[in-house]
Amino acid sequence: DAGITQSPRHKVTETGTPVTLRCHQTENHRYMYWYRQDPGHGLRLIHYSYGVKDTDKGEVSDGYSVSRSKTEDFLLTLESATSSQTSVYFCAISAGTSVYNEQFFGPGTRLTVL
Amino acid sequence: GQNIDQPTEMTATEGAIVQINCTYQTSGFNGLFWYQQHAGEAPTFLSYNVLDGLEEKGRFSSFLSRSKGYSYLLLKELQMKDSASYLCAVYSGAGSYQLTFGKGTKLSVIP
Repeated sequence: DAGITQSPRHKVTETGTPVTLRCHQTENHRYMYWYRQDPGHGLRLIHYSYGVKDTDKGEVSDGYSVSRSKTEDFLLTLESATSSQTSVYFCAISAGTSVYNEQFFGPGTRLTVL
Repeated sequence: GQNIDQPTEMTATEGAIVQINCTYQTSGFNGLFWYQQHAGEAPTFLSYNVLDGLEEKGRFSSFLSRSKGYSYLLLKELQMKDSASYLCAVYSGAGSYQLTFGKGTKLSVIP
């Protein structure tokens, strides 16, 4: 257990509304990630962070923004949700001090955009 | 770009051995990982290979050949609870912090 929690665990929202998902970790890990998982696509990286206020884009970053003002929290924001953003969102951390260590995942957030 | 290929689905019998293959084409290589994911749950880490050869962990083993861009996950003495998706993932070139995942192999274990 890498001490990762995500909130909310489930959310239903309407097209055009803003949504923020929260990832919280308790073990002071430097590297944090946001993925989405969709049938037929597997896990795809949205954004990642390599420290407080240090973030970068992943493979599918359009329509998403992130913030990391504290080591323990990594927020993912959908500024104006669209139906194509209906997905399961996973947060992850990289264990150890190297960015190439294994990643451990939070329990996921199931988001439905109507 | 990065490309990781795995079979979409496999079926195997309880008590048997199954091998799940993964081939990758990436701009560099900094390690290959296998994850298990049960339906409706988060992926959980199974194994890590960065050098060529076999890594064994109980009933699970993982093999890597960097020259061939190839890995496999071997599951022995299959149990019903091994029914899950198995994800292959690769860290590619230097400067990239991104772990690229294959689409996963759904394994069904039948009695």
